[in-house]
Amino acid sequence: DGGITQSPKYLFRKEGQNVTLSCEQNLNHDDMYWCRQEPGLGLRLIYYSQIVNDFQKGDIAEGYSVSREKKESFPLTVTSAQKNPTAFYLCASSIDKAGTYNEQFFGPGTRLTVL
Amino acid sequence: AQSVTQPDIHITVSEGASLELRCNYSYGATPYLFWYVQSPGQGLQLLLKYFSGDTLVQGIKGFEAEFKRSQSSFNLRKPSVHWSDAAEYFCAVGPTGGGNKLTFGTGTQLKVEL
Repeated sequence: DGGITQSPKYLFRKEGQNVTLSCEQNLNHDDMYWCRQEPGLGLRLIYYSQIVNDFQKGDIAEGYSVSREKKESFPLTVTSAQKNPTAFYLCASSIDKAGTYNEQFFGPGTRLTVL
Repeated sequence: AQSVTQPDIHITVSEGASLELRCNYSYGATPYLFWYVQSPGQGLQLLLKYFSGDTLVQGIKGFEAEFKRSQSSFNLRKPSVHWSDAAEYFCAVGPTGGGNKLTFGTGTQLKVEL
């Protein structure tokens, strides 16, 4: 079955530690996204990528980094510079067809908690 | 800049009752509009979308939404709610110029009383 997988489901981070969240898709989608979700704030875009080896900052990129070495994979690193990382992180992907909106498919999410 | 407002943070309805979740958007032209549903601890699932044409759109799970340009609204409705509809619902807006950068509302948490 095609879809998006995220791992781990739960992640705990100590102060000053970098952690990496995994996102993999087998939908052959060009575009991939990372969003952060918190109660009362909805979903906010962290980073997105439309092609391998290229990505753009979203609205809240500070303290995060990404890579896109393969079309299928878009890992997110939460660095120690991110002072308030506790949140639910969602990865999404979509095709990239010009001139229209292309539906985003979401993964099941990773819940990150700072200890 | 585009924005979305969902004025109701929490809504409680009885099973079998009708439901309407409100969504207002701000955008310079007619946007692409979406409703997503999220079960606890899960990702988002698309319920329905509006691009153009008929202003009343049908979605999955018996949901529908009506685009009202004069009110800048895209409210989600269901005539009879089931207990399994309890979830969080997000309205989102996307640019009509293409591209996939959605702006989400803050969500409405639906509770269904049996």
